[in-house]
Amino acid sequence: AQSVTQLDSHVSVSEGTPVLLRCNYSSSYSPSLFWYVQHPNKGLQLLLKYTSAATLVKGINGFEAEFKKSETSFHLTKPSAHMSDAAEYFCVVSEVQTGANNLFFGTGTRLTVIP
Amino acid sequence: GAVVSQHPSRVICKSGTSVKIECRSLDFQATTMFWYRQFPKKSLMLMATSNEGSKATYEQGVEKDKFLINHASLTLSTLTVTSAHPEDSSFYICSALRTGQPQHFGDGTRLSIL
Repeated sequence: AQSVTQLDSHVSVSEGTPVLLRCNYSSSYSPSLFWYVQHPNKGLQLLLKYTSAATLVKGINGFEAEFKKSETSFHLTKPSAHMSDAAEYFCVVSEVQTGANNLFFGTGTRLTVIP
Repeated sequence: GAVVSQHPSRVICKSGTSVKIECRSLDFQATTMFWYRQFPKKSLMLMATSNEGSKATYEQGVEKDKFLINHASLTLSTLTVTSAHPEDSSFYICSALRTGQPQHFGDGTRLSIL
């Protein structure tokens, strides 16, 4: 069974400082992992995905995430926060080996960027 | 640009009415679409998986007679909230599965039942 834990419900950073959004997962099989961003009253936009290739994944808008199997983590980082990064971020897992297309969402982390 | 279009973006209606939400894949055929519900400041909850030409698969606890799903073509799935009541007020999001790609999400529909 899959599950995702986002350790922080809310993260606040100053503009120009690094961003770290934490995510831990559990999966019975080789997982695919995703980070999505949601702006208010909007759908979800894919930031990046891990599907068993390179463990360091680069996404859009300067975000990247590293898959660490030993730690069952997939934390999202960005070197320098921008005001436009303020949004809700979801870590998502999907099982590859079972062929399941179902996504399992974390509870989300709200990122606030302080000017 | 957007590859999944969801309409309407917002709807307000009286209790007891039925509301239809459309989800369209714009430039690809989607044999599978998904419907999610999101409560305020909460994560997305999968309601059902919509398969073109067959009955939708509902998640446990989701009333199939309340939330009617029709996937009549490869580019359109609809969710109808029947006899809506205030507790059905929520943000509903659809997604479409494109071969070899992660799910593409619509922009969501904010449903408010008075």
